Amino acid sequence: SQQGEEDPQALSIQEGENATMNCSYKTSINNLQWYRQNSGRGLVHLILIRSNEREKHSGRLRVTLDTSKKSSSLLITASRAADTASYFCATSGNQGGKLIFGQGTELSVKP
Amino acid sequence: DTAVSQTPKYLVTQMGNDKSIKCEQNLGHDTMYWYKQDSKKFLKIMFSYNNKELIINETVPNRFSPKSPDKAHLNLHINSLELGDSAVYFCASRLQWGGNSPLHFGNGTRLTVT
Repeated sequence: SQQGEEDPQALSIQEGENATMNCSYKTSINNLQWYRQNSGRGLVHLILIRSNEREKHSGRLRVTLDTSKKSSSLLITASRAADTASYFCATSGNQGGKLIFGQGTELSVKP
Repeated sequence: DTAVSQTPKYLVTQMGNDKSIKCEQNLGHDTMYWYKQDSKKFLKIMFSYNNKELIINETVPNRFSPKSPDKAHLNLHINSLELGDSAVYFCASRLQWGGNSPLHFGNGTRLTVT
């Protein structure tokens, strides 16, 4: 199975701190994407990193990808209470159209 | 304007009933999906259609039948509902099959089977 695993499952930090979430997967990928899910809502795409990229930035988000270790990390810098949500990684394998999601990390940012 | 809209938002029904969930996207995307999210927030892909053609059918019981009348719509009909079908069902769309385009999700339909 291509399914990813994320850790930690839950993370609680204070506003202003950085939050790091990790994702591991099992098979070769075409790209890896990170999504955020606020309570009671659908998932929202945050950032995509291609298999030939090692690092990508978008605002306060930094994503790294290590294909040799089949892992990725999402760093949120200077976290805010509004960052409280569940974060999921999703991998797209050689088939391209099939996106498989990890278990998710529940982030709580306390004001 | 809502990009991916699902109806209804909540669905409470009894075991054995048949129900449908509708999904529409106004993004002009070619590809649509159904995902099931369980109580532990695990997201499992169920079906995917590309240009109205079924591409993915992930070992879902045949009580679940998707239908795509056109590229903008993907509905999900569930027969003989069981307790284990209780979950949040998400519709999503994507510009095209494959490539590097992201998924756009609806806000989900929370199905409760009693």
